[in-house]
Amino acid sequence: KAGVTQTPRYLIKTRGQQVTLSCSPISGHRSVSWYQQTPGQGLQFLFEYFSETQRNKGNFPGRFSGRQFSNSRSEMNVSTLELGDSALYLCASSLQGINEKLFFGSGTQLSVL
Amino acid sequence: GESVGLHLPTLSVQEGDNSIINCAYSNSASDYFIWYKQESGKGPQFIIDIRSNMDKRQGQRVTVLLNKTVKHLSLQIAATQPGDSAVYFCAENLNAGGTSYGKLTFGQGTILTVHP
Repeated sequence: KAGVTQTPRYLIKTRGQQVTLSCSPISGHRSVSWYQQTPGQGLQFLFEYFSETQRNKGNFPGRFSGRQFSNSRSEMNVSTLELGDSALYLCASSLQGINEKLFFGSGTQLSVL
Repeated sequence: GESVGLHLPTLSVQEGDNSIINCAYSNSASDYFIWYKQESGKGPQFIIDIRSNMDKRQGQRVTVLLNKTVKHLSLQIAATQPGDSAVYFCAENLNAGGTSYGKLTFGQGTILTVHP
């Protein structure tokens, strides 16, 4: 079974731009979660999608958004990029999204200049 | 609040030694705990998990211990190998319906270095 696939692997953007990151979950997994990882804040939960619906959301500004498609693939978007948005963005998938292990992709490393 | 406390300590061991990585969690209502290993340039990789109705669980070379009385979680790695060198994270999930979906609360991580 293929693992969680994230594209692109690396991104360089400038302040004010927007970016879209993509995630393909493990086949059969309907829950997709997104996390931001930085050296200062560690791993922080962004949001979770299940059957195309956002079920849960972390404490991030509205510039961070996401969506899920009918095939469970997910995208997240960050608008009006700030320097502080530089981070590793991780996608994770699971069957139901609660009280079970999440399988993580390798992440997208975003650098905002 | 919900937080799993781990102040990014560093653990350095010799190959073949046993390693113990500790984690304190703050939410007594958490009912699912998990350990991940993260190598440079990769996403977190599942190691082992445990539910709150258990106090010990064993895997291949790894054991997780849960002490709910003092809200403490530990990961024991037997016969540590150089390939075990990585950052180790504990995480918890609180089964509280909507606010729990997809949300693991992670500790800060422990850097494990194994010397040959």
